[in-house]
Amino acid sequence: DQQVKQNSPSLSVQEGRISILNCDYTNSMFDYFLWYKKYPAEGPTFLISISSIKDKNEDGRFTVFLNKSAKHLSLHIVPSQPGDSAVYFCAAISQAGTALIFGKGTTLSVSS
Amino acid sequence: GAGVSQSPSNKVTEKGKDVELRCDPISGHTALYWYRQSLGQGLEFLIYFQGNSAPDKSGLPSDRFSAERTGGSVSTLTIQRTQQEDSAVYLCASSRDIYSGNTIYFGEGSWLTVV
Repeated sequence: DQQVKQNSPSLSVQEGRISILNCDYTNSMFDYFLWYKKYPAEGPTFLISISSIKDKNEDGRFTVFLNKSAKHLSLHIVPSQPGDSAVYFCAAISQAGTALIFGKGTTLSVSS
Repeated sequence: GAGVSQSPSNKVTEKGKDVELRCDPISGHTALYWYRQSLGQGLEFLIYFQGNSAPDKSGLPSDRFSAERTGGSVSTLTIQRTQQEDSAVYLCASSRDIYSGNTIYFGEGSWLTVV
């Protein structure tokens, strides 16, 4: 049973536009959420996170929104750049003791 | 070391052989994780260590998979009697502790191909 779901395997966006990547989770014990970015042949790298006590966290072009009642989070990238093309993984963790659980990823392609 | 180091970076093995994958975490990181990414799939959690103990082994796909960590540092993931479906990138990560989600650092992975 997938606890973290990214239902869109891929997303194509034009340079300069907004990219919105979505993620849903089922485990209500999760209290910290993260987004990772992965280029081919490299390990994932941390991008941005949000605690369950917040509903928004912003870092430059990247903003993560959390809707706890809907168990949904999203990553907004604006403006999108070709260098943002990568696989984006949503992940969640619980201080009750789960390991970091990842979704299956969304491949973002930003065209110039 | 400066980052998480994994070896071998690439391994081709014959079906039925055993393989060992090694992970050297960042110095001082007590938590260590193993994930697997099969072709076209997401990051599948396998096991994590807090120190030398493994509180959660729930992700290990079968009893052919085992992992150990000694001295609170290096970890070895062993796959016995490899099968073709074991072909994947095996990623190791470490963090200061299990709750430091934003300071989990990944290695570049060990690419395993079972022929």
